[in-house]
Amino acid sequence: QSALTQPASVSGSPGQSITISCTGTSSDVGSYNLVSWYQQHPGKAPKLMIYDVSKRPSGVSNRFSGSKSGNTASLTISGLQAEDEADYYCCSYAGSSTSVFGGGTKLTVL
Amino acid sequence: EVKLVESGGGLVQPGRSLRLSCVASGFTFDNYAMHWVRQAPGKGLEWVSGISWKSGSIGYADSVKGRFTISRDNAKKSLYLQMNSLRAEDMALYYCAKDTSTYGTFDIWGQGTMVTVSS
Repeated sequence: QSALTQPASVSGSPGQSITISCTGTSSDVGSYNLVSWYQQHPGKAPKLMIYDVSKRPSGVSNRFSGSKSGNTASLTISGLQAEDEADYYCCSYAGSSTSVFGGGTKLTVL
Repeated sequence: EVKLVESGGGLVQPGRSLRLSCVASGFTFDNYAMHWVRQAPGKGLEWVSGISWKSGSIGYADSVKGRFTISRDNAKKSLYLQMNSLRAEDMALYYCAKDTSTYGTFDIWGQGTMVTVSS
């Protein structure tokens, strides 16, 4: 159960697109299409942004999209806005009723 | 309104025990798996444990296996985490989270209850 690997930080200017990667192994990300992404603002509980690799919950902007290739999942945010500045975490099912999170990525909107 | 409210956190000495509770409202509790996720101060999220809707499937992170026990009471719409042999590294904000229809996706989160482990 090693944490998924995410970049510690990414940044972009308003209107730009950014992509956050999430690298796991063939035991988690590579084996299941059960990758989810969470947004967390300081002092707040996490919010589900993407589930099942690329599905968006009702109410989440279509500027957020997800994908997966092999053992690496990705979250793309297009048309960056100031309110997107937050921490982002990926999570994958890892078998045997367990899950594993990534270390988190701090997004800075310049 | 769909809501999860955690309780039971507090200050505890290393080696002692603590039991966290989470009460659900606004959804059919016994239709969904439930989880505990923790976040140490200034650190990232860590999945701790999950339990299926009828308690038939349970999983734990390696870091808590053998020390923590998850359980649920569907009649009381409640989720529990019994934490034994607490260590300094268990100090964190503990979130209760509702799963979706596929295990391992957390769509509703509580506000968390803080566990401080210190002598």
